[in-house]
Amino acid sequence: GQQVMQIPQYQHVQEGEDFTTYCNSSTTLSNIQWYKQRPGGHPVFLIQLVKSGEVKKQKRLTFQFGEAKKNSSLHITATQTTDVGTYFCAGPPGDSGGYQKVTFGIGTKLQVIP
Amino acid sequence: DAGVIQSPRHEVTEMGQEVTLRCKPISGHNSLFWYRQTMMRGLELLIYFNNNVPIDDSGMPEDRFSAKMPNASFSTLKIQPSEPRDSAVYFCASDLRLALNTGELFFGEGSRLTVL
Repeated sequence: GQQVMQIPQYQHVQEGEDFTTYCNSSTTLSNIQWYKQRPGGHPVFLIQLVKSGEVKKQKRLTFQFGEAKKNSSLHITATQTTDVGTYFCAGPPGDSGGYQKVTFGIGTKLQVIP
Repeated sequence: DAGVIQSPRHEVTEMGQEVTLRCKPISGHNSLFWYRQTMMRGLELLIYFNNNVPIDDSGMPEDRFSAKMPNASFSTLKIQPSEPRDSAVYFCASDLRLALNTGELFFGEGSRLTVL
């Protein structure tokens, strides 16, 4: 079945440093979604990318969808302590037809040191 | 607007007991998902429903787990009998599926289950 992998699993950065997490799927994705989960909280939707090669920005966050629609990245510029949390990528397989099973990666846990 | 509502928020039970987790999706959403989160395995999809019909339950770990969605506003996930390895946070999520579009998943706050 479809597998979604993320690296790194853990990342500690000094406040102000940049951070990047990478997401790779074993199958082509119909789209890719990114979620953030604060410690003790629940996943919250950040963004969805649909097109091959698409790049979207949200303030200090930049999201990219690979040309082959099998990988994605999230880059945070100048991290802040409010960025602390676990970042998940998720996506349904491209061939799933009308019912799309959204599989999550294991997540990248980001710790920001003040 | 109310989000996805889950109950109980915390459950501590003894091995062998039956556990029932409940979820009320966002009104108007037609898809509902049950996920289990552990440190080792991350967020695992257990089952999902579309228009109250189970579409894929291949993630349900074994026969001890069952899920129902009797109507558009309520779903249950039942574990009987429970085992210590079932200890995890169980999330319910819903979204509005339009044709082939995957919508944003809205998660509940989760039910933290501890089986002693």
